[in-house]
Amino acid sequence: GAGVSQSPSNKVTEKGKDVELRCDPISGHTALYWYRQSLGQGLEFLIYFQGNSAPDKSGLPSDRFSAERTGGSVSTLTIQRTQQEDSAVYLCASSLAKSMEETQYFGPGTRLLVL
Amino acid sequence: AQSVSQHNHHVILSEAASLELGCNYSYGGTVNLFWYVQYPGQHLQLLLKYFSGDPLVKGIKGFEAEFIKSKFSFNLRKPSVQWSDTAEYFCAVNPPTGGFKTIFGAGTRLFVKA
Repeated sequence: GAGVSQSPSNKVTEKGKDVELRCDPISGHTALYWYRQSLGQGLEFLIYFQGNSAPDKSGLPSDRFSAERTGGSVSTLTIQRTQQEDSAVYLCASSLAKSMEETQYFGPGTRLLVL
Repeated sequence: AQSVSQHNHHVILSEAASLELGCNYSYGGTVNLFWYVQYPGQHLQLLLKYFSGDPLVKGIKGFEAEFIKSKFSFNLRKPSVQWSDTAEYFCAVNPPTGGFKTIFGAGTRLFVKA
């Protein structure tokens, strides 16, 4: 079946512009996660959703970052007024969310470069 | 700060050598533990996980990990590596009271020489 998909796969933007990153989870997966992987760094947790609500937004680096999920499916991560330090691979994952024992399935990521 | 530490950032082994990748975490209480792997050009995928029970966990492709609560460790092992094990390996923790939040280590790049 279809896995987690993310778009765009690559995004180059200029400093100060806004960007939107999209994640389509596996059908039926109610939990959705966003992570950021900077060069040489591990995965940094940003936010997760259970259904359309986000119980934990503590990982969002600044108020320039926001995320929403509608219809319990697609999620969008928005970065406003991008900075060069926002350059990274943004990964999305989804799981069944019955419990933390459910496996997270990752998408291919969006590689963001801020010039 | 509470964290997940992977002490080896790069490991180079010859085929058939034994592998042990270290992972330590600093969270108290009950944690859930994971190892993920990212093969070149592929998505991140689950290798194995520990929630409760036998602290020696078997995963895919001959990997295993041992949870040692007293040492706050969850080291990954494989008795004999293959060239195809070349990948980046991430340890991850679901901390107590963290809900579904998952904290990852910085990763270990393993290169296996044929």
